[in-house]
Amino acid sequence: QQPVQSPQAVILREGEDAVINCSSSKALYSVHWYRQKHGEAPIFLMILLKGGEQKGHDKISASFNEKKQQSSLYLTASQLSYSGTYFCGTEPNYGQNFVFGPGTRLSVLP
Amino acid sequence: DTGVSQNPRHKITKRGQNVTFRCDPISEHNRLYWYRQTLGQGPEFLTYFQNEAQLEKSRLLSDRFSAERPKGSFSTLEIQRTEQGDSAMYLCASSRGPFGPGTRLLVL
Repeated sequence: QQPVQSPQAVILREGEDAVINCSSSKALYSVHWYRQKHGEAPIFLMILLKGGEQKGHDKISASFNEKKQQSSLYLTASQLSYSGTYFCGTEPNYGQNFVFGPGTRLSVLP
Repeated sequence: DTGVSQNPRHKITKRGQNVTFRCDPISEHNRLYWYRQTLGQGPEFLTYFQNEAQLEKSRLLSDRFSAERPKGSFSTLEIQRTEQGDSAMYLCASSRGPFGPGTRLLVL
């Protein structure tokens, strides 16, 4: 079952922060985050495997609340290059296919 | 460059023709996934392999679609008797991480 992402779209000014949420009705083994620019393949950002795990690189980080079956992606001090559509992918159990959310379109303006 | 390659990058074909795409994953990754993505939508799972074994197939994968991974290395996805609704970006992912650049299919 497809996870739910919110918001559907967000517009930011350069330097502002954003949070993108991903929630599932099923228990999750892992959550993956991707960013996709128009006409290109999705770029892998990170995978979160454990409940309560947080990861991050540069100014993009994410958390995974296993009990709530939710993950959030945090973008701080956004840059123009952060613009794109962000997808979460959820994996219910190890080895099963994972399902992508509908995406959140992020636009960062100068 | 993610280390995953796909060929061809673009394919234009006439309805009814057969097409075959190839994916070369990262060499040490034993899992390979195929996805289809249409404009404005997230990638949709088609099938995945663990080494040479095809472990799961989506209901999206009709009888016209077949995928192989004969030696557990590269994989091919074939679509027979293409239809206009098959027009999409076909993505291959190595293990659960990087995607290849995709093959964009247009069926006329």
